[in-house]
Amino acid sequence: AQSVTQPDIHITVSEGASLELRCNYSYGATPYLFWYVQSPGQGLQLLLKYFSGDTLVQGIKGFEAEFKRSQSSFNLRKPSVHWSDAAEYFCAAMNSGYSTLTFGKGTMLLVSP
Amino acid sequence: DAGVIQSPRHEVTEMGQEVTLRCKPISGHNSLFWYRQTMMRGLELLIYFNNNVPIDDSGMPEDRFSAKMPNASFSTLKIQPSEPRDSAVYFCASSSDEIDYEQYFGPGTRLTVT
Repeated sequence: AQSVTQPDIHITVSEGASLELRCNYSYGATPYLFWYVQSPGQGLQLLLKYFSGDTLVQGIKGFEAEFKRSQSSFNLRKPSVHWSDAAEYFCAAMNSGYSTLTFGKGTMLLVSP
Repeated sequence: DAGVIQSPRHEVTEMGQEVTLRCKPISGHNSLFWYRQTMMRGLELLIYFNNNVPIDDSGMPEDRFSAKMPNASFSTLKIQPSEPRDSAVYFCASSSDEIDYEQYFGPGTRLTVT
């Protein structure tokens, strides 16, 4: 069955430190990949997406993600975290040619002063 | 564009009552999705419409749940009768197959069934 796994439920990072959130997928073929962010009481906002081509993709708010086919991973990174980045982050995947997303369980990011 | 609009934002109802959640997708989008989010199960896709036609309703929990999309600018998700285990945040999202498949989410409806 197709699945998206985010192994970390919670991560705490000091403000100014670097961040990496992990995401692994299990699909028959390389899916389209997405990272969304959800602030408390809000809907989900797209940070970035990967369809094909350059495996390092840039997104909004200074985030980037790297697609690694050999590891079936699409990890999200940010070089310097700000307190406003505290939120829940969701990795998602979609079969090419389809519209429905499969979401991971999410990783809650806490930012300490 | 105002984005995806959902109403109400909060709903508190008693067990057994009918609940109707509403969604207005982004103009020009041809796909609409209803999701449910809970602590235990995360984000679950309930139903997906394409060009107003239900394509995949395999996520609808049971017959108490129904969804309609009478036109391209409006959709409803109805629960009848409601039960406490239906308490969750329900999100509507829309996308365009002709652009980039990005799903734009509404702010959600927080449903509490007592």
